[in-house]
Parts: sequence; structure tokens; C-alpha cells
Amino acid sequence: DAGVTQSPTHLIKTRGQQVTLRCSPKSGHDTVSWYQQALGQGPQFIFQYYEEEERQRGNFPDRFSGHQFPNYSSELNVNALLLGDSALYLCASSLSLSGGPTDTQYFGPGTRLTVL
Amino acid sequence: AQSVTQLGSHVSVSEGALVLLRCNYSSSVPPYLFWYVQYPNQGLQLLLKYTSAATLVKGINGFEAEFKKSETSFHLTKPSAHMSDAAEYFCAARRGFQKLVFGTGTRLLVSP
Repeated sequence: DAGVTQSPTHLIKTRGQQVTLRCSPKSGHDTVSWYQQALGQGPQFIFQYYEEEERQRGNFPDRFSGHQFPNYSSELNVNALLLGDSALYLCASSLSLSGGPTDTQYFGPGTRLTVL
Repeated sequence: AQSVTQLGSHVSVSEGALVLLRCNYSSSVPPYLFWYVQYPNQGLQLLLKYTSAATLVKGINGFEAEFKKSETSFHLTKPSAHMSDAAEYFCAARRGFQKLVFGTGTRLLVSP
């Protein structure tokens, strides 16, 4: 049983560019959440997708957008990249909206984004 | 707003010693609480979670945590540290279906 997978592993972009990160949830999971983890910090919630709609959003600007596909996989898009967007981006999958609030979120290995 | 505080950004123990990592939450309504571990260059792995069924929660790799409502705490312990326990540990809280809120993490260092 494959866990949560993310691609690419590493990415280097320059300021002003746009980036797309991808996530495939654990088999059987229908909810995907994205987190940003800056160096030395805990993960910060960006948003959550369920049934192809954004269900919750954290305190992130509109430059951060996402999408969920019918097969439950998801993309995170960041426009007009800033130096401060450099971080590890984590994807987590769960059955949280059908499995209850205590359902475990399973995390992928993350995508390390560096903005120069 | 829900917040989670982890006291001590670094904790150092000797192999075989007791591990104690502290976590306090702020909420008048006890949330659901989680401990995750992160090894270098990896994602987060769930160690254990509190779901109000029992105040003492046992997790993987010999870890356990006790929920204390009077102290708004959910400290993580392990009786005997192993070298392989060296990692970053995150406490997280969630109210209902709200977002998962993480603490800033504690790096556990284990010396031989």
C-alpha cells in the first residue's frame, strides 16, 4: 500500500516565478491538506481539499491556490514567488471529513522549494 | 484561536535515560491532540493521538503521553531513550474538523 507521495522532491525557482507541486494521497483517502514548513518551524496549514473543493484555508495569500482531481490527487500552485516562500511543503491525506476529526493525517515526504 | 506551545526547542538526553517533551495547549474546550515525529528529510509520522477515550495514550516506539486537562498539557514521554529516537517532535491540536495547529517543535538529541 503506497503512502502519500509528492513530486518533485526538490525545486529551485527565482522570485516572481510560478510553481506547481503535486501530491497523491494514500490509497482510500479522499481529503488532502497542504502545509508549509519553514526552516526551524512547525508546519503551517495552507488549505484542505475534499470533493474537489477547498474546504478550509489558513492565513495564506491568494498567491497560494490549489486543486483536487477526481482521483483525489492534488496540486498546490504558488504565483509570484517571494524569497519567503522558501520552505518544505508537506501534503497530508486523510478521511477527515468522513472519518471524523480524530482521523489520522498521513504526511508525504515533502517538496523542498528554494526561491532565489 | 487554538495554539500549541512546546517548551524547549532542544532536549538532550543520554541513551537509556527518560525522555520528556513538553506540550501545552490553549483552549477552554480540550481539543484533539497529536504527537508527530519527523526524521531528517522526511515527512511527519504520527506517534500517538488523544481522542478523549483515555487520558494516558500509548503510541508507537515505546512513547506515551498523558492528557491533563487541569494543566492543559499533553507531555510526551519514553522511559528509555534510544539513539534512533533522535529526531524533531511536533505536538499538534485540532478542534472538531478545524485545521491541525502545530507547535514549533522540539529537537531530541540522544548521546551514547
